[in-house]
Parts: sequence; C-alpha cells; structure tokens
Amino acid sequence: GDSVTQMEGPVTLSEEAFLTINCTYTATGYPSLFWYVQYPGEGLQLLLKATKADDKGSNKGFEATYRKETTSFHLEKGSVQVSDSAVYFCALSDPGYSSASKIIFGSGTRLSIRP
Amino acid sequence: EPEVTQTPSHQVTQMGQEVILRCVPISNHLYFYWYRQILGQKVEFLVSFYNNEISEKSEIFDDQFSVERPDGSNFTLKIRSTKLEDSAMYFCASSGGQFNSPLHFGNGTRLTVT
Repeated sequence: GDSVTQMEGPVTLSEEAFLTINCTYTATGYPSLFWYVQYPGEGLQLLLKATKADDKGSNKGFEATYRKETTSFHLEKGSVQVSDSAVYFCALSDPGYSSASKIIFGSGTRLSIRP
Repeated sequence: EPEVTQTPSHQVTQMGQEVILRCVPISNHLYFYWYRQILGQKVEFLVSFYNNEISEKSEIFDDQFSVERPDGSNFTLKIRSTKLEDSAMYFCASSGGQFNSPLHFGNGTRLTVT
C-alpha cells in the first residue's frame, strides 16, 4: 500500500542553520504531497503542498519539490528560527482512493532550534 | 480564517466507559475525517465520512467505533467501551472535496483511558 518514510528525529539545529528533512513515498497512482507542521500543544497545520511532478510548494521560507524520479519531497529552509521548532509530517494523498482523499502520514520529525 | 474546532480538549475516562468526541468542521466542507495519534507515534487514519455515510475506514476502526453527523454542524466520534490502548490524541479534519483540496485539522482531543 501507499506509504511515506521520513527521516527520524529529533533534529537539533542552531538558529540560522540550513534545514533539510528527507521524505520519500511509495504510491500506486499520482499522489499529491504535503508537509504538515504540529507546534507544541496544537493540531496539524498544512505547511505546503505540491500536486504534480516538479511542482514546488513553498510557505514561510520552507520549500519542497515533488520529485517523481526519486519519489521524494524533501523539506528545506535556508535559515531556521527558534519559532520553527515543531514536529513536521510528510504526507501524501492518493486520488486513487475514494473521493474522500484520505491522507497518509509519515512518522514525523521533531525539530528543535537552539537560539 | 475558518477553522475546525474540537471539544473537549482533554477527556479522561475509565476503561469500559463510552466517550463521544465532538468536532465542528468548516461550514462549507463536505468531507470529514478522524485521525488518531498515540503519544510519540504516527498520525493514523481512522475513518472518512461523506454524504452521511462512511467512505472508508481503517482496520483500527472496529465495531467499538462509530461516527455520526447528527445535525448540519457537528461530527462526532463515539467509542463504545474504551480500552487502555485507545488513549491517544484524536484529530478531526475536514476538506472541501475538490480535487487535491487539503485537509484542515482541529487542535485535537487528548483522550486518556485509565
């Protein structure tokens, strides 16, 4: 079945460092890809998405490019801030499912940024 | 911006008791979902709901679970006889239903079964 694999955390970086969180997927169809973020004590928020190959999703300085050839959707940010500390989830939605396009999540990567 | 709201934020119950978790999805959304996240683990799909019926459910969603949309605004998850392993954060989500429309999640209800 469809699945998402992302790098295990926790990831600890200093402020202004470059961030990469790796994510690869397995899907039978042509999925849409997402990054969701969960700040401490809060729910899941959509960070960015890409719906087809070579699309780049971006938001709040974060970027991810849908790479069909490598089945990847790595999350990057050039200069992280303390406020970016959260758990990041890579996810996919496969339109081959029923019309209620459920999302399949990766296991999450906890990111901690040191001042 | 409209948001999905869930109540209560934290529910403590004894094993064997029934619980109902409540959600108010975004008003013009058509698809509704429940997910759960056991502490420190992956967010897992439970069930999706459209047009007043279940569209899909996971193997986790056994006979102890049920969902209902009793009126035009609420979407509830009932667990008939809770077990210790039902302790988790339960997230409600809704989407507009357009192709590739993203899911909007609530802040979750933390269920603790003692």
